[in-house]
Amino acid sequence: EDQVTQSPEALRLQEGESSSLNCSYTVSGLRGLFWYRQDPGKGPEFLFTLYSAGEEKEKERLKATLTKKESFLHITAPKPEDSATYLCAVQADYGGSQGNLIFGKGTKLSVKP
Amino acid sequence: DSGVTQTPKHLITATGQRVTLRCSPRSGDLSVYWYQQSLDQGLQFLIQYYNGEERAKGNILERFSAQQFPDLHSELNLSSLELGDSALYFCASSPWKGGSGYTFGSGTRLTVV
Repeated sequence: EDQVTQSPEALRLQEGESSSLNCSYTVSGLRGLFWYRQDPGKGPEFLFTLYSAGEEKEKERLKATLTKKESFLHITAPKPEDSATYLCAVQADYGGSQGNLIFGKGTKLSVKP
Repeated sequence: DSGVTQTPKHLITATGQRVTLRCSPRSGDLSVYWYQQSLDQGLQFLIQYYNGEERAKGNILERFSAQQFPDLHSELNLSSLELGDSALYFCASSPWKGGSGYTFGSGTRLTVV
């Protein structure tokens, strides 16, 4: 069964304290791995798409990496405004045109000033 | 504003009732996806439409149905509502069948009392 597991469930950091969020996945053929940010009561906001092992993408203080079985979201010198729930999702290759994503339950990040 | 419009933002209804949630995709996007987000389950894929045709089905209950109209807006119909149907319902859109590059709406919060 295709599934996504994120850890930790919650993470508290001091402002400037760098850390990483983990996303491990099992999927029968990976078409893409996605990271989203979600603020309370709002829709997920797209951050990154990764397609193959070894790929890396960066945006401001965030950097996403991908291996064959997991992805990491590295947060460098976080600020309070980075507080949010970070969601990881995979798109499996079912050989057709389905585009649905399988989401993990997320990591809730709190950054204290 | 993501460009994906969902109405209403909030909905409170009684058990046994039927409701309709509406989604207008981003201009030019042909695919619409519906997801349910509850506290304990995370984001769960319900159904995908592409240019008016059903493309993929997830864990959608028989009491739930959806359609996509010629102007590409979509409606999710929920009937015989139960307390457990209380959740955030998100619509997302993308240009392609494959789904890369989702944009989510801000969601409809459904409360069943």
